[in-house]
Amino acid sequence: AQSVTQLGSHVSVSEGALVLLRCNYSSSVPPYLFWYVQYPNQGLQLLLKYTSAATLVKGINGFEAEFKKSETSFHLTKPSAHMRDAAEYFCAVSPQGAQKLVFGQGTRLTINP
Amino acid sequence: DAEITQSPRHKITETGRQVTLACHQTWNHNNMFWYRQDLGHGLRLIHYSYGVQDTNKGEVSDGYSVSRSNTEDLPLTLESAASSQTSVYFCASSESKGGGNEQFFGPGTRLTVL
Repeated sequence: AQSVTQLGSHVSVSEGALVLLRCNYSSSVPPYLFWYVQYPNQGLQLLLKYTSAATLVKGINGFEAEFKKSETSFHLTKPSAHMRDAAEYFCAVSPQGAQKLVFGQGTRLTINP
Repeated sequence: DAEITQSPRHKITETGRQVTLACHQTWNHNNMFWYRQDLGHGLRLIHYSYGVQDTNKGEVSDGYSVSRSNTEDLPLTLESAASSQTSVYFCASSESKGGGNEQFFGPGTRLTVL
């Protein structure tokens, strides 16, 4: 069965610093991979997704993620954090040919002024 | 603009009562999903539907049921609410063609079972 592990339930960075949120998946076949963001008291919205095209995926709000098959990873990065990036971030996986998503536990990102 | 709505946004109920949470989407998506969100668990799939009259159990389906009588709606029913079902519930929908489709989420329903 597909699974996703997000390393670190809480990440804290200073404003302007690099953001790195880690995600590893388990699958024998490269799946579809997603990053979603949840702002307080809201639903989830898509940041970016990998669907077997380019391995470096650019998303909204300056975020990007790189698919590394050899490491079964899909880490999310942003070069310079803004206060508005404070939110909960979820990595999710969907097997190829399936419509369901399996979510990681989430990482809460805090931005320090 | 197309959207997905949930009602109520907040609900307090008592143990043993039947509760129904509504989900309505105007995307005309065939796929609809119900998740619950709990601290430390992320989102877990309760039930899902790939079209009218189609329903499937997810990872944590015990104590929940859904029915799909039209494209727009997928109500979630808690047959006999339990304190363990206190959670935030999210509905989502997506297109059915191909794979890797984005799921669009509603704003959530916060349910408290006393």
